[in-house]
Amino acid sequence: KQEVTQIPAALSVPEGENLVLNCSFTDSAIYNLQWFRQDPGKGLTSLLLIQSSQREQTSGRLNASLDKSSGRSTLYIAASQPGDSATYLCAVCPSGQGSRLTFGEGTQLTVNP
Amino acid sequence: EAQVTQNPRYLITVTGKKLTVTCSQNMNHEYMSWYRQDPGLGLRQIYYSMNVEVTDKGDVPEGYKVSRKEKRNFPLILESPSPNQTSLYFCASSQGPAGGWYFGPGTRLTVT
Repeated sequence: KQEVTQIPAALSVPEGENLVLNCSFTDSAIYNLQWFRQDPGKGLTSLLLIQSSQREQTSGRLNASLDKSSGRSTLYIAASQPGDSATYLCAVCPSGQGSRLTFGEGTQLTVNP
Repeated sequence: EAQVTQNPRYLITVTGKKLTVTCSQNMNHEYMSWYRQDPGLGLRQIYYSMNVEVTDKGDVPEGYKVSRKEKRNFPLILESPSPNQTSLYFCASSQGPAGGWYFGPGTRLTVT
C-alpha cells in the first residue's frame, strides 16, 4: 500500500529565506506527483504536477523535483514571503490507480515578517 | 474559468436527516472523486468515478452514496448522517491518470 510522508510537519522561517519541503513515498510505481497548497479551512490549490518521467517542474519561485527511484520529492520555495504561509500537501497518483491520490499529512509553513 | 464547484460550502444538520452535497466541474473531465479531511487523518478518498454511470468505493465509503448521471456532476449523498461524518469534504476532478487533479473549495459539514 502506497504511503506518503512529509517532513517536517511544521516549519517557521523568517521572510526572505529559501526553504525546502520534503515528501517521500513508499512505492515508486506512480503516474505523477502533485504539490498542493491549502490555506486554513480552504480548498486545495495545485502548485506543481510532475509526471513520472520528469525530474522537476518550476513555477515562479517554486521548484519541485522528483526522484522516483528513491521515492522522494522536494518543493523548493525561493525568497519566502508571509503570503506563502499555508499547509503544503504532497500527493502521488499510483500506477494502476489513476482514479485516486494518496496524500501526505502536509507541512505547515509559517513565514514571519 | 476552469473550476470545480461545491454546494453548500457550510452545512449544519442533525443526525439522520438526509443531505446531498453537489459537485460540478466545467472541464469535461472523465474522473471525479470525493475526499474527506480530518485532523490527524489527512485526506481520505470516499468514492470515485471514472465515467458516467461508473463509480466505485474509495477508502472510507461507509455511510455515503454517489451517483454519476452526467459527466459534469458528482453529488455526494448522506442518507442518514451521523456525528462521525462531521468533516471537511472535497470534490475533485481530473482528465485521467496523467492529468493533475483539480479540487473544489470544500464543504464543511457538522452533524449534531
